[in-house]
Amino acid sequence: GQQVMQIPQYQHVQEGEDFTTYCNSSTTLSNIQWYKQRPGGHPVFLIQLVKSGEVKKQKRLTFQFGEAKKNSSLHITATQTTDVGTYFCAGRRQAGTALIFGKGTTLSVSS
Amino acid sequence: EPEVTQTPSHQVTQMGQEVILRCVPISNHLYFYWYRQILGQKVEFLVSFYNNEISEKSEIFDDQFSVERPDGSNFTLKIRSTKLEDSAMYFCASSKGRPEAFFGQGTRLTVV
Repeated sequence: GQQVMQIPQYQHVQEGEDFTTYCNSSTTLSNIQWYKQRPGGHPVFLIQLVKSGEVKKQKRLTFQFGEAKKNSSLHITATQTTDVGTYFCAGRRQAGTALIFGKGTTLSVSS
Repeated sequence: EPEVTQTPSHQVTQMGQEVILRCVPISNHLYFYWYRQILGQKVEFLVSFYNNEISEKSEIFDDQFSVERPDGSNFTLKIRSTKLEDSAMYFCASSKGRPEAFFGQGTRLTVV
């Protein structure tokens, strides 16, 4: 079945450093979404990417969707302690089908 | 701001018992989902529901599980004859058809 892999599993950074998490799918995706889950919380939608090669920015967060629509990345510039949490990518084979989540990257930030 | 609400927040049940997890999706949403997350693991899709029927389900969603929308506002997940490995956080989510799915706070199910 379809798998979505995410690396690294854990990342610790000093406040102000950059952070990147990578997501790879075994199959071409219709779209990919990113979610953030704070410790003890629930997943919160961040963004959806649909087009091949798409790049979207939200303040210090930059999201990319690969040309082949099989990989994606989330880059955070100058991390802050509020960025702490687990970042999940989730992809769909076809529009309207179930989201398949990656295992997530847990980010910790020390000040 | 509208939100998805789930009850109870924590449910402890004995192995072999049946549990019903309840969700109230956001009122004008049309698509409803159940996911589960075993502690420290990834979020796993269980089932999606649209137009009063299951639109998709995963391998996890076997005959032990069922969903219902009994009254137009609630969306329930029933787990029959619970097993130890059913212990997890169960999230309900809803969407309007737009990409964003709104997750509830989850129900932590502990099977003892």
